[in-house]
Amino acid sequence: GNSVTQMEGPVTLSEEAFLTINCTYTATGYPSLFWYVQYPGEGLQLLLKATKADDKGSNKGFEATYRKETTSFHLEKGSVQVSDSAVYFCALSTNDYKLSFGAGTTVTVRA
Amino acid sequence: DVKVTQSSRYLVKRTGEKVFLECVQDMDHENMFWYRQDPGLGLRLIYFSYDVKMKEKGDIPEGYSVSREKKERFSLILESASTNQTSMYLCASSPPRQGTGGSPLHFGNGTRLTVT
Repeated sequence: GNSVTQMEGPVTLSEEAFLTINCTYTATGYPSLFWYVQYPGEGLQLLLKATKADDKGSNKGFEATYRKETTSFHLEKGSVQVSDSAVYFCALSTNDYKLSFGAGTTVTVRA
Repeated sequence: DVKVTQSSRYLVKRTGEKVFLECVQDMDHENMFWYRQDPGLGLRLIYFSYDVKMKEKGDIPEGYSVSREKKERFSLILESASTNQTSMYLCASSPPRQGTGGSPLHFGNGTRLTVT
């Protein structure tokens, strides 16, 4: 079956620090990969996605590259801000309807 | 922007009560989903629907049922609420997949249900 493993949090950083959240996956078939973000008190929203090997998704300064050889989709941002404090979820989909999510990583950025 | 609206933000119910969680989307999406979110477990799919009156079990359907009588509305029903159903419930919708890659989900803000 499909599964997603992401690094456990919580992660606490200072402003302008470099952020990496590791994500690896197991999938039957050829998945699409996603990162979702959940800000306090809100639902999840799509941050970025990649649909094939070596694709790089990017948005709001975040990037993630689809690495088929290592079955990974690590999220990175070079300089975080307080407003990036949120819970980040890695997810995959191998069909039209269902996404499988990781456990989520809570990130807190301190001024 | 797509709007997915969940009828209640917070809900407190007693053990054994029948509970209805309502979700409405305004973008004419075919697919709708119910997830529950628990710390350390991420999101787990309860049920989904890809058309009116159609439903499919997700990964954890036990103790739940759903109803989709209209395209824009997808209801989650707890037939007899139990304390282990205390959780955050998230509704989502998506259009049919077009081309390669999965369609992104659009989420509501969630309903935090407490069963006492």
